[in-house]
Amino acid sequence: DTEVTQTPKHLVMGMTNKKSLKCEQHMGHRAMYWYKQKAKKPPELMFVYSYEKLSINESVPSRFSPECPNSSLLNLHLHALQPEDSALYLCASSQERGGPVGRELFFGEGSRLTVL
Amino acid sequence: QKEVEQDPGPLSVPEGAIVSLNCTYSNSAFQYFMWYRQYSRKGPELLMYTYSSGNKEDGRFTAQVDKSSKYISLFIRDSQPSDSATYLCAMSRYNAGNMLTFGGGTRLMVKP
Repeated sequence: DTEVTQTPKHLVMGMTNKKSLKCEQHMGHRAMYWYKQKAKKPPELMFVYSYEKLSINESVPSRFSPECPNSSLLNLHLHALQPEDSALYLCASSQERGGPVGRELFFGEGSRLTVL
Repeated sequence: QKEVEQDPGPLSVPEGAIVSLNCTYSNSAFQYFMWYRQYSRKGPELLMYTYSSGNKEDGRFTAQVDKSSKYISLFIRDSQPSDSATYLCAMSRYNAGNMLTFGGGTRLMVKP
């Protein structure tokens, strides 16, 4: 079982809805990530939080709004999404240390989002 | 040209076969190399991790890095139907934190 927990596993929403994806880890990791993965494509980085501060935003549209309430939690707030935003949204965490061990990303099982 | 190239497959092999999965890359600054396995509709899970050139073995899996050729491989011995998944290579630079560059993934099917 993955130690990164994502909820909900599936979400269907209309283009006018507001919803949130949630992610939780209890491994003491200090870096957390949101990735987007379309079918048969590799994960694409969206956001990186390091020590609860947003450190990287890969030019993601403002209809996606990340939030890191504490070191264990990561949210992705969704508003006014488009059908092309339908994808698997993956949360990941890592130790955020130099050296090999800190390079390992632990992924959750993902939240599959469908925008109608 | 993509920084990391990976044959998408699908690669279909009989049970018990030795599987070779490969990635090439263009950025000589990559120092850390990883292989992730992703089952359908699941998140990727880390299989193997290597630093710089060399080999690393873990059970039926062997990861190999050849930095001079910018080429990494994952070998799976005695392949099993449960190995059927998409395999993603990933790599990062020394000073890039945990910023990974993924290959496109190779879909592997092991037939009983």
